[in-house]
Amino acid sequence: AQSVSQHNHHVILSEAASLELGCNYSYGGTVNLFWYVQYPGQHLQLLLKYFSGDPLVKGIKGFEAEFIKSKFSFNLRKPSVQWSDTAEYFCAVTRGSGTYKYIFGTGTRLKVLA
Amino acid sequence: GAVVSQHPSWVICKSGTSVKIECRSLDFQATTMFWYRQFPKQSLMLMATSNEGSKATYEQGVEKDKFLINHASLTLSTLTVTSAHPEDSSFYICSAIGDVDTQYFGPGTRLTVL
Repeated sequence: AQSVSQHNHHVILSEAASLELGCNYSYGGTVNLFWYVQYPGQHLQLLLKYFSGDPLVKGIKGFEAEFIKSKFSFNLRKPSVQWSDTAEYFCAVTRGSGTYKYIFGTGTRLKVLA
Repeated sequence: GAVVSQHPSWVICKSGTSVKIECRSLDFQATTMFWYRQFPKQSLMLMATSNEGSKATYEQGVEKDKFLINHASLTLSTLTVTSAHPEDSSFYICSAIGDVDTQYFGPGTRLTVL
């Protein structure tokens, strides 16, 4: 079965620290990759997505992610986190174009200490 | 753009009653919408894919007679939890395909069955 792994379940950082959240998937074909953020009490918001082209994708709020096909990974990064980045982050994968069903990772809960 | 709303945001009902949750795409048309459940501190579990003008496609293990889905227009999908029981208490989230292959999520509906 296809799966998406987010190995970091809980991450605690101080403000200004750098962030990297891991996301690995198990499907070997063409994939579309997404990172969503869910702030406390709010709905999921799209941070960034990768379909093709430059494997380094820049998203909103200073986030970026790098697609490394050989490692089946799509890690999320931010050079300097803020207290307002406290949220839960979900990685999601779809298999190729025209396939809308997401496979979600289990999520990473990030807490940024002021 | 790509805003998805849900109504109600929360509902409390007695065991045995039915509850209807609406999902609307406010500024775009969506031929495909999705319904998820999210358990506390867990990821989203896809329940079904809702297609405008046709029957919904349910994921394995989801009772289609219990969770009735109707997608009667390009901007509205409804989920009806029939004969609700306490174990149906959960956070229900819908999403709609906005941009190509990208889902946009509603704010969710918290259902509590007494």
